[in-house]
Amino acid sequence: DGGITQSPKYLFRKEGQNVTLSCEQNLNHDAMYWYRQDPGQGLRLIYYSQIVNDFQKGDIAEGYSVSREKKESFPLTVTSAQKNPTAFYLCASSMEPGGPGANVLTFGAGSRLTVL
Amino acid sequence: AQSVTQPDIHITVSEGASLELRCNYSYGATPYLFWYVQSPGQGLQLLLKYFSGDTLVQGIKGFEAEFKRSQSSFNLRKPSVHWSDAAEYFCAVGARSGYALNFGKGTSLLVTP
Repeated sequence: DGGITQSPKYLFRKEGQNVTLSCEQNLNHDAMYWYRQDPGQGLRLIYYSQIVNDFQKGDIAEGYSVSREKKESFPLTVTSAQKNPTAFYLCASSMEPGGPGANVLTFGAGSRLTVL
Repeated sequence: AQSVTQPDIHITVSEGASLELRCNYSYGATPYLFWYVQSPGQGLQLLLKYFSGDTLVQGIKGFEAEFKRSQSSFNLRKPSVHWSDAAEYFCAVGARSGYALNFGKGTSLLVTP
């Protein structure tokens, strides 16, 4: 079955450590996204990528970094510069805009990061 | 500025009762409109979407939504709620020329016996 796999599902980090969250998709989607979810805040866009080797900052990119070396993969690194990293992180993908699947996001199951 | 508003943070309904979740948006042009549902600790699942055409759209699990341009609204409805519908519901909008979606803050639905 096609879908998005996020790992790990739960992650604990000490302050000052960088962590990387994995996101892999086998849907052959062009675009991939990272959202952050906090209680009562909805989903906020961190980064997104339309094609390999290209990505754009979202609304809350500070303290995060991404790479897109392969179409299937879009890892997110939460750096020590992120002031409040404890949150639920969601990866998503979609086909290119303008087509029948435009903007239709498929989500992974999420990764919960807790900073100790 | 583009925005999505879900006025109700929490809603409680009795099983078998009807449901309406509100969503209002502020966009420069008619956007693409979506409703997603999230069970605790899980990702989001698409319920339905509106791109163009008939303003009443049908989705999965018996849900429907109506696009009202004059009110900039896209409210989600279900005639008879089941206990399994208890979840968080998110309205989202996207620009027709863009990629990423802008999400509302969500409405948490509780279903009582």
